[in-house]
Amino acid sequence: SQTIHQWPATLVQPVGSPLSLECTVEGTSNPNLYWYRQAAGRGLQLLFYSVGIGQISSEVPQNLSASRPQDRQFILSSKKLLLSDSGFYLCAWSSYDRGKTEAFFGQGTRLTVV
Amino acid sequence: DAKTTQPNSMESNEEEPVHLPCNHSTISGTDYIHWYRQLPSQGPEYVIHGLTSNVNNRMASLAIAEDRKSSTLILHRATLRDAAVYYCILSSGYALNFGKGTSLLVTP
Repeated sequence: SQTIHQWPATLVQPVGSPLSLECTVEGTSNPNLYWYRQAAGRGLQLLFYSVGIGQISSEVPQNLSASRPQDRQFILSSKKLLLSDSGFYLCAWSSYDRGKTEAFFGQGTRLTVV
Repeated sequence: DAKTTQPNSMESNEEEPVHLPCNHSTISGTDYIHWYRQLPSQGPEYVIHGLTSNVNNRMASLAIAEDRKSSTLILHRATLRDAAVYYCILSSGYALNFGKGTSLLVTP
């Protein structure tokens, strides 16, 4: 069966510090991978998605970047965190079937920038 | 992807059916209709999806209007565990763009 791992569960970082969140998927190959962010009291915002190794699409301009060094690994990074980067970050995967298939989400990382 | 419109909140009594509406008047022929729900402090959970025909699964039913400009998620017997934010999403590509959804309150 397929599983998605996302860590850490919670993180408190000072303004200006770097960030690296990692997400890995097991039990499937060539998944579509996604990073979402949910600010307090707001909806889910799609940040990045990837349809293959090294292929990253960015949905909104921001202080963050994403990389996919391996087929089932997706990393969200920042060189210098801002207060506005605080939020609930979610990684997700779906199988390669445009528009039709369901997405599976990790448990999320709650990031607080102080 | 086309936009969807949902009520901000709805309320239901436990063990009664719930009909959650979604309007998507600009839907294209290739857009699938997806429904997800999100419990507090958790990631979204897939509920159901469809293209043209009504769909049923163990969680819910999806009724799609004949012109596909609206759809309704039906929870046949609401339980307290069904209290969540329900998202209606259209997608024909790789990305699922979530709106604000409908916050469902279930009262005993």
